[in-house]
Parts: sequence; structure tokens; C-alpha cells
Amino acid sequence: DAGITQSPRHKVTETGTPVTLRCHQTENHRYMYWYRQDPGHGLRLIHYSYGVKDTDKGEVSDGYSVSRSKTEDFLLTLESATSSQTSVYFCAISGTGTDYNYGYTFGSGTRLTVV
Amino acid sequence: AQKVTQAQTEISVVEKEDVTLDCVYETRDTTYYLFWYKQPPSGELVFLIRRNSFDEQNEISGRYSWNFQKSTSSFNFTITASQVVDSAVYFCALSERAKTSYDKVIFGPGTSLSVIP
Repeated sequence: DAGITQSPRHKVTETGTPVTLRCHQTENHRYMYWYRQDPGHGLRLIHYSYGVKDTDKGEVSDGYSVSRSKTEDFLLTLESATSSQTSVYFCAISGTGTDYNYGYTFGSGTRLTVV
Repeated sequence: AQKVTQAQTEISVVEKEDVTLDCVYETRDTTYYLFWYKQPPSGELVFLIRRNSFDEQNEISGRYSWNFQKSTSSFNFTITASQVVDSAVYFCALSERAKTSYDKVIFGPGTSLSVIP
């Protein structure tokens, strides 16, 4: 029982095409995040969501959009993929409560190559 | 501003050696959380530990131990009797109490540990 799954795991796409990555959680967590991981840059936040239809930008949001129509699903869309968006994308979830910030649980990642 | 520094980019040790991964953080908040994550060669990110700023007690979990020192803003991670399976990239991370609408977490650049048999 993974709790959080990403799809697809691998994708190769052409420059200029739209791409959508999906993150699905079964933990009913409020917060969901999209990160990208690149050599020399570590993990950088793209977008995050703090509830259904509530989303906001992270530090590297240009060229990306997100949507969250259900608690369990958080979609990341590259409107027109560019080679600079070749990366490994991680989705993460976190819960909140009286014991604030349990830390993230990450998905397995999506390796995206834009050719 | 928040910042996490992991000065060791790569470390190589021989199996059964002890190794310490350094993490130094910067924050102006008095309430914050520190984390360590492991990323093995398979690529997934695995949560190892969470520590809040009010709890300076060191923690031991099997061969892993963590030393949290607020006086030096450090949260170091030691692996005792290292094993090949410990080979991974290890990330230290910092989260401040939310002033925004999400659990903002800043990750360090990571330390790549290679354990040689």
C-alpha cells in the first residue's frame, strides 16, 4: 500500500507538446506538492496545493500549471514542454494536525525527458 | 532566510566504518522542524527522521543516530558500521512553522554516500 503513486513513471516527449503528470494519494492529506530534482539544484518546489482547487506557485513555477479537483489527485501540466524541463518530478504529500508537520511522503518519481 | 548546507558533496567509506553526514541550517524562527531523507540508487525518497526545535535529545535507531545541536545550528547524521545498502544520497531539510499556507520545506543539496565492500 504505497499511499501515494505517480504516473507515468517514465515519459519521453517532444519539444512543444503538452504533458500531464498525475499524483494520486490515498492518505486524505490536505497538502500536496510537486518538486523537480536536477543535478546541482537538489529538490525545488514547482507548485503546491493546500486543498481542493487551492493551489499556489513555488520557486520554479514558470512553464507549469497544476490542478486539484479532488483531494486525492494533483496534476502537473507542462503546457509546451521544453528541453529545460527534462527532469525527475516528485510528488509529495503532508498532513497537518495538532502535531504540526509530519514531514513529507514522496511518490516514486516520474522521469521526464523532452527531446 | 532559511538555508540548509550540506558541505560534504560526496563521501566514500569502506564497509563497517562509521560515517557522519553534516547538516548546518539557518533560520530566524524559534519553532522549526528538521528532517533527513534517504535517496537510494533506485531513486525514491525515504523519510528517515523528523526533529522539532524544542527537542534536542539525540536519537538512535539501530545503526543510525542523529545529533541535534541548536547552539551550532547543526543536525548531523551518523551511520555506525556502514553497509553497502547505506549507499545513497542523503538530504537534510528544514521546515519553519507555517507563515504561509503550506508546510514549506527547504532541502539541502544532498550528500552522496558510497559504501565500498
